[in-house]
Amino acid sequence: NAGVMQNPRHLVRRRGQEARLRCSPMKGHSHVYWYRQLPEEGLKFMVYLQKENIIDESGMPKERFSAEFPKEGPSILRIQQVVRGDSAAYFCASSPQNTGSGNTIYFGEGSWLTVV
Amino acid sequence: DAKTTQPNSMESNEEEPVHLPCNHSTISGTDYIHWYRQLPSQGPEYVIHGLTSNVNNRMASLAIAEDRKSSTLILHRATLRDAAVYYCILRNFGNEKLTFGTGTRLTIIP
Repeated sequence: NAGVMQNPRHLVRRRGQEARLRCSPMKGHSHVYWYRQLPEEGLKFMVYLQKENIIDESGMPKERFSAEFPKEGPSILRIQQVVRGDSAAYFCASSPQNTGSGNTIYFGEGSWLTVV
Repeated sequence: DAKTTQPNSMESNEEEPVHLPCNHSTISGTDYIHWYRQLPSQGPEYVIHGLTSNVNNRMASLAIAEDRKSSTLILHRATLRDAAVYYCILRNFGNEKLTFGTGTRLTIIP
């Protein structure tokens, strides 16, 4: 059973370009989470999605950032008009439906975005 | 979210047991205690979780105090690969996301 797959693992973008990060959850998982980790800082929650629905986006910056989890295909975290401050590791995680608090969230290996 | 308190850093000798403490004095009756760890340049890795009873798995043991206001993650025989930041997180039903604190940076001394 493959784990949470993220790609690309490393991405370099110039200021003003768009970055798209993709996440395929574990098989059978219908919940996806995105986290951001700035250099030398902790993990910060960004957004929680179920298929075709955004459940909690309380951690998403108000502008330039968007996320989707379509009925078919991976979840996408999109960052428009990137700035140097967006340089970070972006982690995706997934969990089964109706986890309750006793179930486990599994993380991917992350996508490292560098804005030059 | 109920808050957890962990030491910023700990050291342990290789091949010895490690006890990583976590205080959560405001825990509610429905909060599960989850432990994750993050190795350098990797995503967080699930370690163990529990509600009231002590738990064991292939990676570690979780000892939960009777009043549930604290817990201890036990690595029975530390190896160099256990060097990581360990996070103790409370997770309540209806709040699906994990909220990470600063964790404990564990250094293993060869």
